[in-house]
Amino acid sequence: GEEVAQTPKHLVRGEGQKAKLYCAPIKGHSYVFWYQQVLKNEFKFLISFQNENVFDETGMPKERFSAKCLPNSPCSLEIQATKLEDSAVYFCASSQSGGQGNQPQHFGDGTRLSIL
Amino acid sequence: GQQVMQIPQYQHVQEGEDFTTYCNSSTTLSNIQWYKQRPGGHPVFLIQLVKSGEVKKQKRLTFQFGEAKKNSSLHITATQTTDVGTYFCAGCGRGAQKLVFGQGTRLTINP
Repeated sequence: GEEVAQTPKHLVRGEGQKAKLYCAPIKGHSYVFWYQQVLKNEFKFLISFQNENVFDETGMPKERFSAKCLPNSPCSLEIQATKLEDSAVYFCASSQSGGQGNQPQHFGDGTRLSIL
Repeated sequence: GQQVMQIPQYQHVQEGEDFTTYCNSSTTLSNIQWYKQRPGGHPVFLIQLVKSGEVKKQKRLTFQFGEAKKNSSLHITATQTTDVGTYFCAGCGRGAQKLVFGQGTRLTINP
């Protein structure tokens, strides 16, 4: 498609439950990025993929967060044993080849994750 | 690691006044991008600057990249209510592989 599609728009989970977010990048884009935006507006980089391969995962809290981009499937970001501090809007973005940092990133509408 | 600082954090202006947000990197950048996020929306790419001292204009918006490629600014002339939102700069360090976002400047406008 022509837009980055993120689902669901809003996800509510009890503390300790699992949360799974999905992202379909723009067709033809090779790079996918996940960001976490908390109330202060600051964007925290989590992970990036080049096609189905992890490109940069330096921002991932590895003990509970995992992500995948499998062929012919939406990318996913999964949080195990959620904590209150995981409440945020999670944005997915995609960019064309060469998108390590010198191509515009196209963002989805985000998934608002609320941990109760 | 690379850090990108953006000031001010908030700016409130009267409609018609000018607005400027500044972005400073701890390291030399290969390029810098600017994004706008409307309230409740997602970031939208505005522009990319690559060359030292580069200046680009989009209607009432003027973007500058510093000579040392460590700082950048966005200036809006004669703000309109449609300019409301948060403006983010995002820099890519030389040899780095990802964009680092500034904290954003939230612009509100009194009509």
